[in-house]
Amino acid sequence: DAGITQSPRHKVTETGTPVTLRCHQTENHRYMYWYRQDPGHGLRLIHYSYGVKDTDKGEVSDGYSVSRSKTEDFLLTLESATSSQTSVYFCAISGEGGETEAFFGQGTRLTVV
Amino acid sequence: GESVGLHLPTLSVQEGDNSIINCAYSNSASDYFIWYKQESGKGPQFIIDIRSNMDKRQGQRVTVLLNKTVKHLSLQIAATQPGDSAVYFCAETSGTYKYIFGTGTRLKVLA
Repeated sequence: DAGITQSPRHKVTETGTPVTLRCHQTENHRYMYWYRQDPGHGLRLIHYSYGVKDTDKGEVSDGYSVSRSKTEDFLLTLESATSSQTSVYFCAISGEGGETEAFFGQGTRLTVV
Repeated sequence: GESVGLHLPTLSVQEGDNSIINCAYSNSASDYFIWYKQESGKGPQFIIDIRSNMDKRQGQRVTVLLNKTVKHLSLQIAATQPGDSAVYFCAETSGTYKYIFGTGTRLKVLA
């Protein structure tokens, strides 16, 4: 398995609270991604990073922010969690964006109550 | 397990038979395609990939076929085993950061 660790693996939080999910990689890959996966939808890109401090929005970025201060860490923050953000979140990495396969972490199941 | 597969199309195959899972991709400019397998409670796992300059690529028990004319991708699994039970989905990209993922097909292997 690619060296990707997501934490926490499961979290239950209350509406309106901030939440941060962490993705840590040991592959020294340049690209890192955050996706959410919901029934009836494919994986949808939230944000991605193409280098330290270089990030950009994906298709479902509203309500989320990210930071990448080191090559190995990519943080996803929900500033004020809402029930619509209940989902399974996956971090992925790739060596070259879109030119090689993306490797995924094990996922974080987030429930906002 | 995760509930991501609630509304997926399902393919049921007898153990030992061959499986064919299909995917229609959307972007005619896509030039790189990937098949992933996702087991319950786990992240997607890379199975096999193919570039647009190829029509067919074989791996161990798996073959991917690409038909660019009709924008169709298929995954063939030979001698399907119980461990093959999972959700399978394709991904496409045109060389940018953006991977476009299909919604997936659930494969059930019947003993």
